[in-house]
Amino acid sequence: GENVEQHPSTLSVQEGDSAVIKCTYSDSASNYFPWYKQELGKRPQLIIDIRSNVGEKKDQRIAVTLNKTAKHFSLHITETQPEDSAVYFCAARDSGNTPLVFGKGTRLSVIA
Amino acid sequence: EPEVTQTPSHQVTQMGQEVILRCVPISNHLYFYWYRQILGQKVEFLVSFYNNEISEKSEIFDDQFSVERPDGSNFTLKIRSTKLEDSAMYFCASSRENYGYTFGSGTRLTVV
Repeated sequence: GENVEQHPSTLSVQEGDSAVIKCTYSDSASNYFPWYKQELGKRPQLIIDIRSNVGEKKDQRIAVTLNKTAKHFSLHITETQPEDSAVYFCAARDSGNTPLVFGKGTRLSVIA
Repeated sequence: EPEVTQTPSHQVTQMGQEVILRCVPISNHLYFYWYRQILGQKVEFLVSFYNNEISEKSEIFDDQFSVERPDGSNFTLKIRSTKLEDSAMYFCASSRENYGYTFGSGTRLTVV
């Protein structure tokens, strides 16, 4: 089955700087790669996702890039703000109806 | 915005007791999932449900666990003979296709 590795486990950045979180996956058949943000004690919330037919997707300050050859994808947050502080999880899914497999999460702290 | 609703928000149970966690998925969604998250760890897949039957289950989802969709709206997770290590946050999720999961707010299960 799919295995997702996520790095780093913790990340601290100054407000206004960029943050990058990276994930690798094992199954070359995986075709869907979402990112979730989880604030303390709350549910994971989908913030952006990408499918394997595109290499990059942007939504305001958030972007995701996908390199299918290398089997890795990354989350980029620009102009970070204190409210971006949370745990971010990447995930990947095999083709068909298999469920999402999550990475271990990255705790992002944005220091004002 | 439609939400996935979970009840109760917190459940405390004695070791060996049975618990039922309840979820109301988004009404036009077709895929339903249970995940769990032990404190500070990643989100782990338990089971997925589609077309009124289990479509996938993980190694965690052994004979102690069962799921049901007793009517057109509810989706339940039953844990028989609970153990201390079952203590975790249990998240229900649903999706219309097998993309873009929406998570519920979770049930924190504490086994004492």
